[in-house]
Amino acid sequence: GESVGLHLPTLSVQEGDNSIINCAYSNSASDYFIWYKQESGKGPQFIIDIRSNMDKRQGQRVTVLLNKTVKHLSLQIAATQPGDSAVYFCAVVTGGGNKLTFGTGTQLKVEL
Amino acid sequence: DGGITQSPKYLFRKEGQNVTLSCEQNLNHDAMYWYRQDPGQGLRLIYYSQIVNDFQKGDIAEGYSVSREKKESFPLTVTSAQKNPTAFYLCASSILRYGTGELFFGEGSRLTVL
Repeated sequence: GESVGLHLPTLSVQEGDNSIINCAYSNSASDYFIWYKQESGKGPQFIIDIRSNMDKRQGQRVTVLLNKTVKHLSLQIAATQPGDSAVYFCAVVTGGGNKLTFGTGTQLKVEL
Repeated sequence: DGGITQSPKYLFRKEGQNVTLSCEQNLNHDAMYWYRQDPGQGLRLIYYSQIVNDFQKGDIAEGYSVSREKKESFPLTVTSAQKNPTAFYLCASSILRYGTGELFFGEGSRLTVL
């Protein structure tokens, strides 16, 4: 099976600083990784994804890093803004696309 | 606009009652999913369907039932057999399977058992 965990349940950052949210997974056969953002009372929204044949992928103000050696995934948010306050989940796909396992989520709090 | 619509947003139920949560999508996605979210836990898969008239159990299917009679609709029934039904329920869809595209989520339905 697969287990997915985030390193910190809560992360507080100052507005304008960079945020780093970490995620660890257990199954070395995992091949697709996704980050979601969930605002209070809403459904999760896709942020960025990465496949196992890549180490890094960049989006607008976000970067995902994948270290398959230690089975670690991170989401970096540049110049964090108040609108970034939310719970962030990593999700890992294993088994050829049939199984998606979510982590427990990290609450990002942006302090003004 | 295209998207996923869940209803109702809030639902209260007495013990012993079945309730049905609605999920409709107009994204023309083949696959649909139901997840349960509890505080401090990740999303857990209840049921999923990759094609009309077919669905599979997820990790926590006991006490739940689904149907997929139309491509755009995937209702979830929480039965009286579900021992701890109070939770936030999320419906999602994807073009096909997980690995081929992102999941699009609805806004969720919060069920409270009184």
